[in-house]
Amino acid sequence: SQQGEEDPQALSIQEGENATMNCSYKTSINNLQWYRQNSGRGLVHLILIRSNEREKHSGRLRVTLDTSKKSSSLLITASRAADTASYFCATGLRMDSSYKLIFGSGTRLLVRP
Amino acid sequence: DAGVTQSPTHLIKTRGQQVTLRCSPKSGHDTVSWYQQALGQGPQFIFQYYEEEERQRGNFPDRFSGHQFPNYSSELNVNALLLGDSALYLCASSLAMRGPNNEQFFGPGTRLTVL
Repeated sequence: SQQGEEDPQALSIQEGENATMNCSYKTSINNLQWYRQNSGRGLVHLILIRSNEREKHSGRLRVTLDTSKKSSSLLITASRAADTASYFCATGLRMDSSYKLIFGSGTRLLVRP
Repeated sequence: DAGVTQSPTHLIKTRGQQVTLRCSPKSGHDTVSWYQQALGQGPQFIFQYYEEEERQRGNFPDRFSGHQFPNYSSELNVNALLLGDSALYLCASSLAMRGPNNEQFFGPGTRLTVL
């Protein structure tokens, strides 16, 4: 079963606008990561935020984490047509000597030129 | 610096058959994880290999098995294929010594279709 739930499931915006995606999760985590996937291909890592961090930036990306609410948000500013993709949050969970990612169901972003 | 590679890219099988998927991790990485992604869903963790042993397993039946070789490459085997096994199978590599707060690098995936 999925750990995270992204909201919204789909988002359509105009080029130049900002896109905000939200993610909620259920259990304690070591970190939360955001990935992008183009047309059912491999996942591209965007950003990792640790459980003791509240906000992180990378270029046009801004991620926030609220562990008390078990939620995170991804903001893409000044969106471009090339940002059209599916975006997934994944919680990093350590168990014994290993570590796995638990993904949400994703937000499908369409940026109209 | 080679990234994660997977083979084959696409595969078509019929119900009841067996399939083997292959993954070569990013150079310098020693841990390989496998994920199954059904259409329209997020990836689901199958299992993880480190030091040639299965370290952790997700909620998948024993029909799913794997192997890691001394060069850190890995195979995913699925026996007695079902229609529901149709999915994109993703391999991810990482470096165990960096602990949980490290990035997993994903390959392009193998698209398996079961008819």
